[in-house]
Amino acid sequence: EAGVVQSPRYKIIEKKQPVAFWCNPISGHNTLYWYRQNLGQGPELLIRYENEEAVDDSQLPKDRFSAERLKGVDSTLKIQPAELGDSAVYLCASSSGLAGEQETQYFGPGTRLLVL
Amino acid sequence: SQKIEQNSEALNIQEGKTATLTCNYTNYSPAYLQWYRQDPGRGPVFLLLIRENEKEKRKERLKVTFDTTLKQSLFHITASQPADSATYLCALDYTGGFKTIFGAGTRLFVKA
Repeated sequence: EAGVVQSPRYKIIEKKQPVAFWCNPISGHNTLYWYRQNLGQGPELLIRYENEEAVDDSQLPKDRFSAERLKGVDSTLKIQPAELGDSAVYLCASSSGLAGEQETQYFGPGTRLLVL
Repeated sequence: SQKIEQNSEALNIQEGKTATLTCNYTNYSPAYLQWYRQDPGRGPVFLLLIRENEKEKRKERLKVTFDTTLKQSLFHITASQPADSATYLCALDYTGGFKTIFGAGTRLFVKA
């Protein structure tokens, strides 16, 4: 079974430029998460989707961040414009939503973003 | 707000010994607690989940305890191996589903 796929793995951009990250969750997983992980810290939730609906985006900086999951499968996270402080690893995770299993999250390898 | 504390200093142990990692939390009691492993350059990998009504959970060489009175979880790796060297993250869910808060993690080094 294929795991969570993310691309690109690495991205270097200059500040004020836009950037987008893509995530394809495990097949059949209804719940998709985007996290940001700064160096030496744990992942922090940015947004959670149930199918195509964003059910928790309270931590998403909406002035510059946006996300979509149009068909309830893969998802895109965008930053426009990027700031120096956005340098971090952006992790995507998915979970099945099945009773007794919904808590376990499966993470992708992450996209390492460096803003210069 | 909820706060999770894990040992900020790295833990260095000798191969074959038992590694014990601590996770302390404040404020509300979580519905369940999870432990994840993270290797450099990779995403976290789920290891164990323990619910608020459980005291202990085991899986092979891993054991997790959950003390809701002390607001603490202990994560044990018995007969540790160099391959166990990684960062271990504690994660709590306060709403019974999908609101997961991660600690900063503890780095474990197991020497051969």
